[in-house]
Amino acid sequence: GDSVTQMEGPVTLSEEACLTINCTYTATGYPSLFWYVQYPGEGLQLLLKATKADDKGSNKGFEATYRKETTSFHLEKGSVQVSDSAVYFCALSERAGTALIFGKGTTLSVSS
Amino acid sequence: EAGVTQFPSHSVIEKGQTVTLRCDPISGHDNLYWYRRVMGKEIKFLLHFVKESKQDESGMPNNRFLAERTGGTYSTLKVQPAELEDSGVYFCASRKAGGDTGELFFGEGSRLTVL
Repeated sequence: GDSVTQMEGPVTLSEEACLTINCTYTATGYPSLFWYVQYPGEGLQLLLKATKADDKGSNKGFEATYRKETTSFHLEKGSVQVSDSAVYFCALSERAGTALIFGKGTTLSVSS
Repeated sequence: EAGVTQFPSHSVIEKGQTVTLRCDPISGHDNLYWYRRVMGKEIKFLLHFVKESKQDESGMPNNRFLAERTGGTYSTLKVQPAELEDSGVYFCASRKAGGDTGELFFGEGSRLTVL
């Protein structure tokens, strides 16, 4: 069945460091891909998404490109801030209306 | 606009007891989802309501779990009797009809600890 694999955390960075969180997926069709983020004490919220190959999703300085050839959707940010400390979840949806399939989540901790 | 709210935020019960979790979706959101995250594992889909109807309940682990959404507003998820492996964080999410199917609005989750 469909699945999402994320790099294991926690990831600990200093402020202004570069971030990459790897995400690869397995799917039978052409899924939509998402990154959700959960800040401390809050619910998950959509960070960015891409619905077809080569699309780039971006938000709040984060980017991820839908790579069909490598079945990947890695999350990147050039310069992280303390406020980026959170748990990041990669997810896919096989088709409209179907349930999201999540990875295990990656905890990011940024120190000043 | 109020977000998705869940109650209780944390529940500690003994094996064999019953627990009921409640979710109030964003007003006007016809779609309501339940997910569960067991410690260190993926967030797993449990079921999906469209209004008061169960659209997809393929993720429900067994018949100890009962979800309802009477009147198509709030939803409850009852676990009876609870087992140790039911411990985890239960998330509720909602989405309006016709909304972007990938963008769900999540609550903070209800943490269930079964001793």
